[in-house]
Amino acid sequence: SQQGEEDPQALSIQEGENATMNCSYKTSINNLQWYRQNSGRGLVHLILIRSNEREKHSGRLRVTLDTSKKSSSLLITASRAADTASYFCATDAVETSGSRLTFGEGTQLTVNP
Amino acid sequence: DTEVTQTPKHLVMGMTNKKSLKCEQHMGHRAMYWYKQKAKKPPELMFVYSYEKLSINESVPSRFSPECPNSSLLNLHLHALQPEDSALYLCASSPQESFDYGYTFGSGTRLTVV
Repeated sequence: SQQGEEDPQALSIQEGENATMNCSYKTSINNLQWYRQNSGRGLVHLILIRSNEREKHSGRLRVTLDTSKKSSSLLITASRAADTASYFCATDAVETSGSRLTFGEGTQLTVNP
Repeated sequence: DTEVTQTPKHLVMGMTNKKSLKCEQHMGHRAMYWYKQKAKKPPELMFVYSYEKLSINESVPSRFSPECPNSSLLNLHLHALQPEDSALYLCASSPQESFDYGYTFGSGTRLTVV
């Protein structure tokens, strides 16, 4: 079963605006990761945040993690048309044996020029 | 080399055919993964290999048969597939089968079963 659920399902913004996507999950996790997927292509790993971390930055990306609320957010600042893609959160649950990365339903982000 | 290479990029096969998907990486990663992704859906885990041994099989039908001949290569053998198996098949790798690492994905094989 899918662990993460993204909100919103779709987001349309203008270039230069910030985009915020949220992810909720159900069980305790080792880490939470965010991936980007351009249409019909493979996924690109963006950032990994561990369960004992609360915030992480990478370039224009800012990820927060609230384990008490079982939720995470991905903020993309100063968006560009090239950021148009689907964004997935993925979790590695504590109780499963082995590394079993489970993806949420994804947010489709459209950045209009 | 920081890539996972998947071949072929596109594959059309009949329900009685046998075909194979290939995945290769030269990053020294010791964990490799097969995911299946239907249109507008998230990837779903199929198999995990760790140090060339099958670690996880997510109850995948036997018409999908994975193989890991060496630490750089992962195959997915297909036989007697159904039209509903049409999907994007993604291969990924990570340094080890551990929650400490992100995955590197290939661009996928777009499979159509007719």
